[in-house]
Amino acid sequence: DGGITQSPKYLFRKEGQNVTLSCEQNLNHDAMYWYRQDPGQGLRLIYYSQIVNDFQKGDIAEGYSVSREKKESFPLTVTSAQKNPTAFYLCASSLTGTYQPQHFGDGTRLSIL
Amino acid sequence: GQSLEQPSEVTAVEGAIVQINCTYQTSGFYGLSWYQQHDGGAPTFLSYNALDGLEETGRFSSFLSRSDSYGYLLLQELQMKDSASYFCAVRDTGGFKTIFGAGTRLFVKA
Repeated sequence: DGGITQSPKYLFRKEGQNVTLSCEQNLNHDAMYWYRQDPGQGLRLIYYSQIVNDFQKGDIAEGYSVSREKKESFPLTVTSAQKNPTAFYLCASSLTGTYQPQHFGDGTRLSIL
Repeated sequence: GQSLEQPSEVTAVEGAIVQINCTYQTSGFYGLSWYQQHDGGAPTFLSYNALDGLEETGRFSSFLSRSDSYGYLLLQELQMKDSASYFCAVRDTGGFKTIFGAGTRLFVKA
């Protein structure tokens, strides 16, 4: 079955450490997205990519970086510059076009040690 | 800029009907969509309205009025499993970014 896989499910980061969250999809979707969700809040866009080797900043990109070397993969790195990284991170993908719904992974919960 | 407003919480009883409203302000409009998210889980797509009117999918319906910048999600024959957060969302003017509302937490009581 096609879907989006995020790993790990839980991640702990030490102060000053970079960590990378994995997102892989086998839905053959061109577009991929990273969102951050804080408790009781909506989803805020970090980065998005419409095509391989291209990506754009979302609303809260500071302290994060991404790459899109393959269509199937869109890893997110949370750098030490992100001072409040504790959150639930969701990856999504969609077809491009007039409107295509986003399909989400199960998320990664990041906490600071 | 773009913004969406929806109530933070709604409570209803099992078997009842509940309506979750969403008003939006956008510089362009590419349709209103709705997503459901259970605690700790992934959001799942429910419906999309590009044009005015009602879209029905089983127990769920979604309505849009572009002239009023308003939409709602209607859930009928509520079940306990419908307890979740519901998000309305719009696409930005460029058509590639989706802006989500803060979500409405629905509590279904027995």
